[in-house]
Amino acid sequence: DADVTQTPRNRITKTGKRIMLECSQTKGHDRMYWYRQDPGLGLRLIYYSFDVKDINKGEISDGYSVSRQAQAKFSLSLESAIPNQTALYFCATSDFTSGSPDTQYFGPGTRLTVL
Amino acid sequence: GNSVTQMEGPVTLSEEAFLTINCTYTATGYPSLFWYVQYPGEGLQLLLKATKADDKGSNKGFEATYRKETTSFHLEKGSVQVSDSAVYFCALSADSWGKLQFGAGTQVVVTP
Repeated sequence: DADVTQTPRNRITKTGKRIMLECSQTKGHDRMYWYRQDPGLGLRLIYYSFDVKDINKGEISDGYSVSRQAQAKFSLSLESAIPNQTALYFCATSDFTSGSPDTQYFGPGTRLTVL
Repeated sequence: GNSVTQMEGPVTLSEEAFLTINCTYTATGYPSLFWYVQYPGEGLQLLLKATKADDKGSNKGFEATYRKETTSFHLEKGSVQVSDSAVYFCALSADSWGKLQFGAGTQVVVTP
């Protein structure tokens, strides 16, 4: 089984709809991240969390919110989706207590299309 | 702020050719540098990393050397295979939080 899983893998929705993307990990890592990938822009950080009580905005948090329901679960919500949020979304984890705290492990991604 | 610049793709090569992907960075302090690879339809995987100047990261025949004097971390492989076709991302981490700053990615296409 994959260590970092994302659901759904693909989603098509309409402008104005609320969408939740979910991420779960079995790696036991304390840190979790949400990125979006756009062609020609690489990956940009949306939100990150270092434990259940710690949530931080990243580079492009406007229009997004997150919830860290447990150490293993980190959800990303789009309260009112708009077409320019069409992108590939990745969840990632890292382990502060390891010898490589800045090495991140990525999920397979969720492709979101907002019509 | 911190930034990563890498060469634009796509880079198209024949099998067994030499691959170089240039990456330069701007950062305060002493960042860690990474190359991640994204195979079609998959998430990113760490390919290699280097944490201080003159370190060489290597994995699967790929190498990159952390050059502080030129602020570069170029990726090289001596003989590519069709299975190396992917998008390659250069990235840096410059703070204690472990946040990554990515380049735009370079698509590599290797033909038989």
